Amino acid sequence: SQTIHQWPATLVQPVGSPLSLECTVEGTSNPNLYWYRQAAGRGLQLLFYSVGIGQISSEVPQNLSASRPQDRQFILSSKKLLLSDSGFYLCAWSVFFGEKLFFGSGTQLSVL
Amino acid sequence: GENVEQHPSTLSVQEGDSAVIKCTYSDSASNYFPWYKQELGKRPQLIIDIRSNVGEKKDQRIAVTLNKTAKHFSLHITETQPEDSAVYFCAASIAGGGNKLTFGTGTQLKVEL
Repeated sequence: SQTIHQWPATLVQPVGSPLSLECTVEGTSNPNLYWYRQAAGRGLQLLFYSVGIGQISSEVPQNLSASRPQDRQFILSSKKLLLSDSGFYLCAWSVFFGEKLFFGSGTQLSVL
Repeated sequence: GENVEQHPSTLSVQEGDSAVIKCTYSDSASNYFPWYKQELGKRPQLIIDIRSNVGEKKDQRIAVTLNKTAKHFSLHITETQPEDSAVYFCAASIAGGGNKLTFGTGTQLKVEL
């Protein structure tokens, strides 16, 4: 069966520090991969998605970037974090684009 | 692009009562409508989904109805229990059309004892 792993679970970072969040999917090939951000008590904001290795689409201009170095690996990065980057970051995957998304357990990021 | 509106933003019911959450979508080409449940601090989890070729789908105490003409769909939870308390998100997309899933803004459901 397919599983999605996301780490770390929590992260406290100072303003201006770099960020790297990693997500991997097991048990499937060529998944569609997504990064979402959820501010406290708010909805799901799509940040990036990828339909294949090296293919990244950005939904919101910001100081974050994403990469997909391997088929089942999706990385969210930042060179310099802002206070506004705080939130709950969720990785997700699907077999078919835009259908039946399965989410990772999330990373609670606090930028101080 | 697709726009999904969800109501109400908060809903409080007594245990055992029914709860209904409603969503409307803007793109008449949308044909896939999932619902997600997110407990506090947890990941959103898919609880039920419906495609536009059916008008209703049930799974135990939850059901989803779709009105394509009016472009709205609803989540119905019967015999609510405290463990149903969570945030529920609706969403819409054009399956097979390369369109991303667009989420509603969420409904905080509280089931009171």
